[in-house]
Amino acid sequence: QKEVEQNSGPLSVPEGAIASLNCTYSDRGSQSFFWYRQYSGKSPELIMSIYSNGDKEDGRFTAQLNKASQYVSLLIRDSQPSDSATYLCAVTLSNTGNQFYFGTGTSLTVIP
Amino acid sequence: KAGVTQTPRYLIKTRGQQVTLSCSPISGHRSVSWYQQTPGQGLQFLFEYFSETQRNKGNFPGRFSGRQFSNSRSEMNVSTLELGDSALYLCASSPRTGDGGYTFGSGTRLTVV
Repeated sequence: QKEVEQNSGPLSVPEGAIASLNCTYSDRGSQSFFWYRQYSGKSPELIMSIYSNGDKEDGRFTAQLNKASQYVSLLIRDSQPSDSATYLCAVTLSNTGNQFYFGTGTSLTVIP
Repeated sequence: KAGVTQTPRYLIKTRGQQVTLSCSPISGHRSVSWYQQTPGQGLQFLFEYFSETQRNKGNFPGRFSGRQFSNSRSEMNVSTLELGDSALYLCASSPRTGDGGYTFGSGTRLTVV
């Protein structure tokens, strides 16, 4: 089992819809969770961080964390074509001295 | 505020050679991490440096090494290059060790022929 798993997609949603991206992780002791966005040919950029169970909202983005089920998700409301990118989930693994592991990413396409 | 600067942007090397990549973090950031990104494997953690000390190391062979200087700038070295080392090498900095709120550089695209 990989430390961090994401559905590679591609995920396609129409403009204005809600895009839902999911990530599961293997280490129950993980404490820090991040979502990064990576446009084609560019480096990843941080979108959101979440540390506690529940929802965290930032503009059109909502991160959801459920430590009991070991998953973290990212919702993008009112999706725009400019949201088309690969979304990477990153998790600290407590049994590795808080080393960060990235999922392989989910490719999102927002169709105008 | 300047971002994370990686040099060079592109490199072409021959098998068996060695290469050194450079990373200058954001001013005030003391943690520098290195990642290898390939289409099949995604982002693979190489190592993290904080205050000139290696704090974590990923599962890469000893041919991959790094160091950090007192001004937080970091270098990564790959010796005896193999074709499979062709990848985008990304450097990321953060204020503290273990802080995943990274800022990534633009990367160095290494091609081994």
